[in-house]
Amino acid sequence: DGGITQSPKYLFRKEGQNVTLSCEQNLNHDAMYWYRQDPGQGLRLIYYSQIVNDFQKGDIAEGYSVSREKKESFPLTVTSAQKNPTAFYLCASSRPGQGTYEQYFGPGTRLTVT
Amino acid sequence: QKEVEQNSGPLSVPEGAIASLNCTYSDRGSQSFFWYRQYSGKSPELIMSIYSNGDKEDGRFTAQLNKASQYVSLLIRDSQPSDSATYLCAVNRGTYKYIFGTGTRLKVLA
Repeated sequence: DGGITQSPKYLFRKEGQNVTLSCEQNLNHDAMYWYRQDPGQGLRLIYYSQIVNDFQKGDIAEGYSVSREKKESFPLTVTSAQKNPTAFYLCASSRPGQGTYEQYFGPGTRLTVT
Repeated sequence: QKEVEQNSGPLSVPEGAIASLNCTYSDRGSQSFFWYRQYSGKSPELIMSIYSNGDKEDGRFTAQLNKASQYVSLLIRDSQPSDSATYLCAVNRGTYKYIFGTGTRLKVLA
């Protein structure tokens, strides 16, 4: 079955620690994305990548970093510089074509930082 | 003005009725429109996409797009309690950026 996997499902960290969220897809999609979702707010774009070894900042990239060394993988690191990291993090992917193709989401990682 | 606006709800409909969910957008350059269903605590699931004016039907779901009036709607026929969820509208103007609304919570009453 093709799809997007994210791990772990739940993650608990202390303030000041960096944490890396995993995202893997086997849909053969070129484009991958990271969003965060907070209660009462729409999805906000953190980073996106159109192809391997290339990525761009989204609307709220401060305090986050990504890499795209393989087509299938797009890990997100939440650094200690992120002021309010507790959120639901969603990874997504889409076929190339800049918007005319559907975007599919992984199951998400719920991060709690105390 | 938000780029994509949805009534937060909740929209309550009885089982078997038609649920009508609406979404307006501000960017006239928007080209692609999507509806997602999100159950509480879960990730969004794509249920419909529409790219041209008019209606698009898929099972019990119909998406309607009116670019002149800048709105897109989703109709759910024969609503079931399992349809109770938050429905997210998303638009794209042909770039890698998708703009999401905050969602409408639908409650289907048995």
